[in-house]
Amino acid sequence: GQQVMQIPQYQHVQEGEDFTTYCNSSTTLSNIQWYKQRPGGHPVFLIQLVKSGEVKKQKRLTFQFGEAKKNSSLHITATQTTDVGTYFCAVTTGANSKLTFGKGITLSVRP
Amino acid sequence: DAGVIQSPRHEVTEMGQEVTLRCKPISGHNSLFWYRQTMMRGLELLIYFNNNVPIDDSGMPEDRFSAKMPNASFSTLKIQPSEPRDSAVYFCASSFYQGNTEAFFGQGTRLTVV
Repeated sequence: GQQVMQIPQYQHVQEGEDFTTYCNSSTTLSNIQWYKQRPGGHPVFLIQLVKSGEVKKQKRLTFQFGEAKKNSSLHITATQTTDVGTYFCAVTTGANSKLTFGKGITLSVRP
Repeated sequence: DAGVIQSPRHEVTEMGQEVTLRCKPISGHNSLFWYRQTMMRGLELLIYFNNNVPIDDSGMPEDRFSAKMPNASFSTLKIQPSEPRDSAVYFCASSFYQGNTEAFFGQGTRLTVV
């Protein structure tokens, strides 16, 4: 089945630094979703991108869908300790639109 | 709405025993997903229902796993017999329309098979 790649799996930043992560696919995507999972918690929906080149912002978080709809990025400006967690991208695959997740990137923030 | 409700939150069982995990999706949602999360494999989709009908069970590891959705408000995931390698967090999620809309996750069931 279709897979999305999220590399690396872990990233450590100093509080106040910016952070960017990517989600890449070898095939064109119909849409992409981003989720955040806090340590010990469950995934929580952040955003969905549908249009080519779409950019959406949520406070310090900026999400972008690539022009070719094969990749997406999440950028966090001036990270805070509350940003700690694992960020997943998720895509719908196949004619039956099942929702599959990337491996995620776990962000740690040094105060 | 209380969100997606899973039970139990924690389960410890001995190898060979039957385990049943339960899920109540959000009212009005048409799609239900069961995921398994481990450090090694991440979030794996096990099975996906749409309008109570199993649509894709290609992620179910083997015949020891089975899932049912007898009505729109209840689903179960059963493992029989359980093995230590089944130890993981199992999440249930529901969405209004397949994978094309926001998925709401339950709190998860942490399963430990000893």
